[in-house]
Amino acid sequence: DGGITQSPKYLFRKEGQNVTLSCEQNLNHDAMYWYRQDPGQGLRLIYYSQIVNDFQKGDIAEGYSVSREKKESFPLTVTSAQKNPTAFYLCASHTGETGELFFGEGSRLTVL
Amino acid sequence: GQNIDQPTEMTATEGAIVQINCTYQTSGFNGLFWYQQHAGEAPTFLSYNVLDGLEEKGRFSSFLSRSKGYSYLLLKELQMKDSASYLCADMDSNYQLIWGAGTKLIIKP
Repeated sequence: DGGITQSPKYLFRKEGQNVTLSCEQNLNHDAMYWYRQDPGQGLRLIYYSQIVNDFQKGDIAEGYSVSREKKESFPLTVTSAQKNPTAFYLCASHTGETGELFFGEGSRLTVL
Repeated sequence: GQNIDQPTEMTATEGAIVQINCTYQTSGFNGLFWYQQHAGEAPTFLSYNVLDGLEEKGRFSSFLSRSKGYSYLLLKELQMKDSASYLCADMDSNYQLIWGAGTKLIIKP
């Protein structure tokens, strides 16, 4: 079945370490997104990509990096420069026009 | 500017009806989305309105008034499993979603 797969579902990290969250989709969608969600808050856009080899910063890009080498894949790296990385991270994809945004199951990152 | 407003929390009784309102102010408009999100899970799609009026889908209905920048989600015959957060999102002229903070709906027996 078509969908979006995020991994890992849970991740623990020590301060000062970089971690990479995986996001893969087989929906043939052009646009992919990374959101961060903190308790009791809405979704905040980190990065998005509308085409391979191109991506744009969202509202809270500082301390994060992404790549889009393949249409299917949009990994997110949480770097040591991100001061408060503990959060729920959601990857999503979209056709690029109007219509439903599809989400992965999310990755919960905890910094120890 | 871009802004989405919805109530922080609502409480309703099992079997009743509840209406969750959402107002938006964005540059351009390409549709209004409602998503349901259970605690610790990803949001799931409920509805998409791009034209004025009411869209009905089973127990859930969504209404849009573009001239007023207003939408609501109507939930009928409430069940305990409807306890969740309901997220309103507006798609702007660049096809980017602007998200509200979500409305936490608490269903009581």
